[in-house]
Amino acid sequence: AQTVTQSQPEMSVQEAETVTLSCTYDTSENNYYLFWYKQPPSRQMILVIRQEAYKQQNATENRFSVNFQKAAKSFSLKISDSQLGDTAMYFCASRNSGNTPLVFGKGTRLSVIA
Amino acid sequence: EPEVTQTPSHQVTQMGQEVILRCVPISNHLYFYWYRQILGQKVEFLVSFYNNEISEKSEIFDDQFSVERPDGSNFTLKIRSTKLEDSAMYFCASSRDIAYEQYFGPGTRLTVT
Repeated sequence: AQTVTQSQPEMSVQEAETVTLSCTYDTSENNYYLFWYKQPPSRQMILVIRQEAYKQQNATENRFSVNFQKAAKSFSLKISDSQLGDTAMYFCASRNSGNTPLVFGKGTRLSVIA
Repeated sequence: EPEVTQTPSHQVTQMGQEVILRCVPISNHLYFYWYRQILGQKVEFLVSFYNNEISEKSEIFDDQFSVERPDGSNFTLKIRSTKLEDSAMYFCASSRDIAYEQYFGPGTRLTVT
């Protein structure tokens, strides 16, 4: 079965600093997708970034980037120049290829401190 | 930018009552999903839907649950006889294609008393 593990329940970072959120996953498939979703206090799920497993290049979206280590099954999220609006729960998720559901980790609560 | 919408934002119901949660997926999307998140816990998959039929369902999605796409725009989740443990945030999601990401709606908070 597919599993996603986020080992950091809570983290904090000073405004303008950089923070890295950890995620490991397990799947028996060779083709899969990885995602980070942000859930602010409004509880809406917002896609932050995605990575296709077949791509070696790490995905980046403005201040957000990932460190994808396929052999280690690790998919960490780096947030640069942290802003107060980045305060939220962050969920790592994976999905096998095909019409398959997302499997989520338990989340990391990130607080950005002024 | 197109987005997934859900109504109502908050539903309070009594145990044993039927509820219908509504979703309007993004218009050119073909794959639809329901997830739920019990307060303080992770998001869990309930069911996926494509071409007017269920593609996959989790063990949570028992006989009390059903989904329907009654017209070209709405996608509904029905819980026939609600239980206290059904209290959760319910998210609808849609995807244009199986290779693309799933976009989530804002969620419906269901409270069963």
